[in-house]
Amino acid sequence: DAMVIQNPRYQVTQFGKPVTLSCSQTLNHNVMYWYQQKSSQAPKLLFHYYDKDFNNEADTPDNFQSRRPNTSFCFLDIRSPGLGDAAMYLCATSSWRGQEQYFGPGTRLTVL
Amino acid sequence: QQQVKQSPQSLIVQKGGISIINCAYENTAFDYFPWYQQFPGKGPALLIAIRPDVSEKKEGRFTISFNKSAKQFSLHIMDSQPGDSATYFCAAIVNQGGKLIFGQGTELSVKP
Repeated sequence: DAMVIQNPRYQVTQFGKPVTLSCSQTLNHNVMYWYQQKSSQAPKLLFHYYDKDFNNEADTPDNFQSRRPNTSFCFLDIRSPGLGDAAMYLCATSSWRGQEQYFGPGTRLTVL
Repeated sequence: QQQVKQSPQSLIVQKGGISIINCAYENTAFDYFPWYQQFPGKGPALLIAIRPDVSEKKEGRFTISFNKSAKQFSLHIMDSQPGDSATYFCAAIVNQGGKLIFGQGTELSVKP
């Protein structure tokens, strides 16, 4: 089945220790998104790639970076995680901008 | 104007009952309205979606009703089951912009 895969599902890191989350997709979609979701809240868009074109949300902290080396993979780098960065991180894809988005299972990040 | 307002925040329904979740928007440029279902610890899953040229869409026990003049839309879950217990998010997209605007979410609990 075509799908969005996220690894790892659970990640524990220490305060200030860089961490990388990965996302891959077999849908061959052009657009990939990263969201942050905290408890009892809606997902919050961090950035998205339209093909290789990177689009950062205005309120995304500089601490968050992303890479998309090819169509299938996208990475979220958190350079110096703080306690406030503990959350579920969701990757999503869509065929084009404005089309429905398909989400992965998420990575639960814990910061100690 | 980019907001989608969702209510209620939480909902308790007896098994076999009808669950109704309402959303309202201001931006008339929104032209696609998906609903997502999210179970604890999982990513949101696309449930059903509608475009504003249609007043109703039904898929199984799930129905979206859309009132373009009132700028409101709602999700009805018929014959609600305990397995429907989840958080439901309405959302809206501007086709060319592509950014998914989420409602605040509704936590549904279906009691046996």
